[in-house]
Amino acid sequence: KAGVTQTPRYLIKTRGQQVTLSCSPISGHRSVSWYQQTPGQGLQFLFEYFSETQRNKGNFPGRFSGRQFSNSRSEMNVSTLELGDSALYLCASSLGRMENTEAFFGQGTRLTVV
Amino acid sequence: KNEVEQSPQNLTAQEGEFITINCSYSVGISALHWLQQHPGGGIVSLFMLSSGKKKHGRLIATINIQEKHSSLHITASHPRDSAVYICAVRNNDMRFGAGTRLTVKP
Repeated sequence: KAGVTQTPRYLIKTRGQQVTLSCSPISGHRSVSWYQQTPGQGLQFLFEYFSETQRNKGNFPGRFSGRQFSNSRSEMNVSTLELGDSALYLCASSLGRMENTEAFFGQGTRLTVV
Repeated sequence: KNEVEQSPQNLTAQEGEFITINCSYSVGISALHWLQQHPGGGIVSLFMLSSGKKKHGRLIATINIQEKHSSLHITASHPRDSAVYICAVRNNDMRFGAGTRLTVKP
């Protein structure tokens, strides 16, 4: 059974640009959640999608957005990139809502903003 | 004060030792997760707990809802257990501890 796949694995962008990251969940999983990990702030919750609807959102500015497609694949978008957006972005999938079921994480996308 | 506190921050052990990592939280939760992160970034979910105790091989996780405290135990530690262990609590969102960096020496 394939795991959670995140693409791309590494990305370098320039300040002011926008970026789209992709997450393909484990087959059959309906929930995808996104996280940001930085050395200074650690892991922080970005948002959770379940059945194509955003269920919860963390404390991030509106530049961070996401969506989920009917096949449960999810994308997150960051517009007007700032240097501080450099981070490891992780997604996790689960069968149901994350509060009730185990989460399986992808390897992450390492974004560097220069 | 962080809503999720882990201790210790760093832990060095000799192979075979019994290890305990603690997590205290100050918010209401629906579940608590223990995560393992190896160098390179990949995260593995070890346990999801809402009460009591769970065991997988040499790993044991306990939670006391009344005291808002959870522990992760590793019996007969091995160098391959070296990783960062992260406690995360779930309510409407997910809040994370800062992690415990474990190094197990042969």
